[in-house]
Amino acid sequence: GQNIDQPTEMTATEGAIVQINCTYQTSGFNGLFWYQQHAGEAPTFLSYNVLDGLEEKGRFSSFLSRSKGYSYLLLKELQMKDSASYLCAAMDSNYQLIWGAGTKLIIKP
Amino acid sequence: IAGITQAPTSQILAAGRRMTLRCTQDMRHNAMYWYRQDLGLGLRLIHYSNTAGTTGKGEVPDGYSVSRANTDDFPLTLASAVPSQTSVYFCASSEEAGNTGELFFGEGSRLTVL
Repeated sequence: GQNIDQPTEMTATEGAIVQINCTYQTSGFNGLFWYQQHAGEAPTFLSYNVLDGLEEKGRFSSFLSRSKGYSYLLLKELQMKDSASYLCAAMDSNYQLIWGAGTKLIIKP
Repeated sequence: IAGITQAPTSQILAAGRRMTLRCTQDMRHNAMYWYRQDLGLGLRLIHYSNTAGTTGKGEVPDGYSVSRANTDDFPLTLASAVPSQTSVYFCASSEEAGNTGELFFGEGSRLTVL
């Protein structure tokens, strides 16, 4: 079956770095997405990876290893506003998105 | 402001009642989607539409129906609501179906079925 695994919750300190991991199993693969969702709000797009390697976008970076079925989202210089849930989603061979349950990130001062 | 508008934002509904959640987008996107989000679970696709005039079933379509009479509107109907349909519902759109473009989400409709 198709499956996405990511930690349920993580805690980090303001100004620090945190890495949120995601492993996936899908029928075929057309890329890996990360979305941010603040409590009570809609998910918003952060990144898309389809090739192996690291994509950097400001304080956020996303990494993909297709051979390992693994991705991570790296957040640097954490700010209080980064407190949110981070959703990992893999796109299968039919271009359907398989979503993880999300990782709730708590930032402490 | 361009984007996706959902209504109502929140609703409490008696079991057995009929309910329609409205979704309108002004980005001229061809593809639209309805998801439900429940605690501890990932977003689950209910129904989708690749283009106006066509619809398809997602992962959890039972008890729901949709229509896509035009590009902008994609309403979701619960014919006879049941408590297990208590959830937060998100409408989303993308420029095209079957590609790797990002999804744009509405603000969600929180539905409680008693």
